[in-house]
Amino acid sequence: EAQVTQNPRYLITVTGKKLTVTCSQNMNHEYMSWYRQDPGLGLRQIYYSMNVEVTDKGDVPEGYKVSRKEKRNFPLILESPSPNQTSLYFCASSGIGLVRNEQFFGPGTRLTVL
Amino acid sequence: DAKTTQPPSMDCAEGRAANLPCNHSTISGNEYVYWYRQIHSQGPQYIIHGLKNNETNEMASLIITEDRKSSTLILPHATLRDTAVYYCIVRVGNNAGNMLTFGGGTRLMVKP
Repeated sequence: EAQVTQNPRYLITVTGKKLTVTCSQNMNHEYMSWYRQDPGLGLRQIYYSMNVEVTDKGDVPEGYKVSRKEKRNFPLILESPSPNQTSLYFCASSGIGLVRNEQFFGPGTRLTVL
Repeated sequence: DAKTTQPPSMDCAEGRAANLPCNHSTISGNEYVYWYRQIHSQGPQYIIHGLKNNETNEMASLIITEDRKSSTLILPHATLRDTAVYYCIVRVGNNAGNMLTFGGGTRLMVKP
């Protein structure tokens, strides 16, 4: 089954404790992206990657890092989480150069930073 | 990408057609209209897209006005499971950046 998986689905942590949220897709997609969703602000893009070893900032990259060492994986790293990073996070993937350009989203990771 | 305007909320009776409007008066010639929906805190789901012709798939129909300044997503027989936030997004179809800019969307409530 074609899917995007994220782990963990729920995480409660404390300020400053490094964490990684994993994202994996099995559709051989070149493009992967991370979004965060906050009430009243909608979905905002954090980082994206057009292919292996190619990453770029989205609209709200501060406080986050990403890596793309393999095509299927795109982890989101919070080196020193702060309470303002409490949010619902979504990973997405798609092919590129396609008009249909359907993005497949993961189930979400709800992060709480105390 | 062009800006879109959608009503914040709509109700629809179960079994009836749900017609969700979207205004995109600044759309340019190479921009497509995409629709996604998000069912309560799940990941957004692609529904349909179109350029200027009306489109239909197994989920919905998309009607785009001749001047392309507005469009309507039609769910022909809404069910309770169609309760969700529906997002209308305008962007270049093969945009290498691939970013989707989600606005506020329309919260559709399907009622029994």
